[in-house]
Amino acid sequence: NAGVTQTPKFRVLKTGQSMTLLCAQDMNHEYMYWYRQDPGMGLRLIHYSVGEGTTAKGEVPDGYNVSRLKKQNFLLGLESAAPSQTSVYFCASSYFGAGNSPLHFGNGTRLTVT
Amino acid sequence: GQQLNQSPQSMFIQEGEDVSMNCTSSSIFNTWLWYKQDPGEGPVLLIALYKAGELTSNGRLTAQFGITRKDSFLNISASIPSDVGIYFCAGYGGATNKLIFGTGTLLAVQP
Repeated sequence: NAGVTQTPKFRVLKTGQSMTLLCAQDMNHEYMYWYRQDPGMGLRLIHYSVGEGTTAKGEVPDGYNVSRLKKQNFLLGLESAAPSQTSVYFCASSYFGAGNSPLHFGNGTRLTVT
Repeated sequence: GQQLNQSPQSMFIQEGEDVSMNCTSSSIFNTWLWYKQDPGEGPVLLIALYKAGELTSNGRLTAQFGITRKDSFLNISASIPSDVGIYFCAGYGGATNKLIFGTGTLLAVQP
C-alpha cells in the first residue's frame, strides 16, 4: 500500500518550459488536491478534484492546469513556467471532503524555475 | 482571503521541555486540524477537533478547539528529538468552506 506517490521528486525548469507533475493514490479516495508550499506561507491550495472527471480552482490557480481522467491519478501542469512557480508541490487525497476526513499527503516535488 | 495566524514561527528547545503553539483566525471554523511535517516528507495528521471546547490527546500531544471557534492550540509534553519538524494548524469551514493552513511552527529539539 503505497498511499500517495508523487513524481518526479525534483525538477529544474527554465522560464517558459512546460512540465507535468503526476500524483497517484491507491486508497480509492474520491478527493484529490494540489498544494504549493512556500517559506512563511504555509500550504496553499492550487486546484482540487471531488471525483474522476472533475476539477476546481483553489486559492492560487493561475498558471496551472489539472486533469483527473482516472480516479487514482491527478495531474498538475505548468504550461509556461515562471520563477514565481519555484516551490515545493504537494499532492493529497481524502476519502470524503477536507473537513470530514484526513488528507493523506505525498512526499512532495521540489521545483526550481530559473 | 482567509488567514490563520500561527505562532510562534519557530521554537528551539531542550529535550524534555514542554511546547505550546497556537493558531488564531478572524473567521469561525467548524473543524481544527493539526499536522506535522517531517523534513523531506509531506504533512501527517496528528489531531482532529470537531467541536468547540473539545480537548483531545494523542500520546504526548494535546490540542483544544477554542470556545469562540476562532482559535486552537497544540501542546507537546516532554519533547524528544523526533518531535523536530514543522507543525501546521488547519481550519475547515469559515467563509470559503475550504481547508486553510496556518504558516507553520518550526520546532527544533536539542538533545
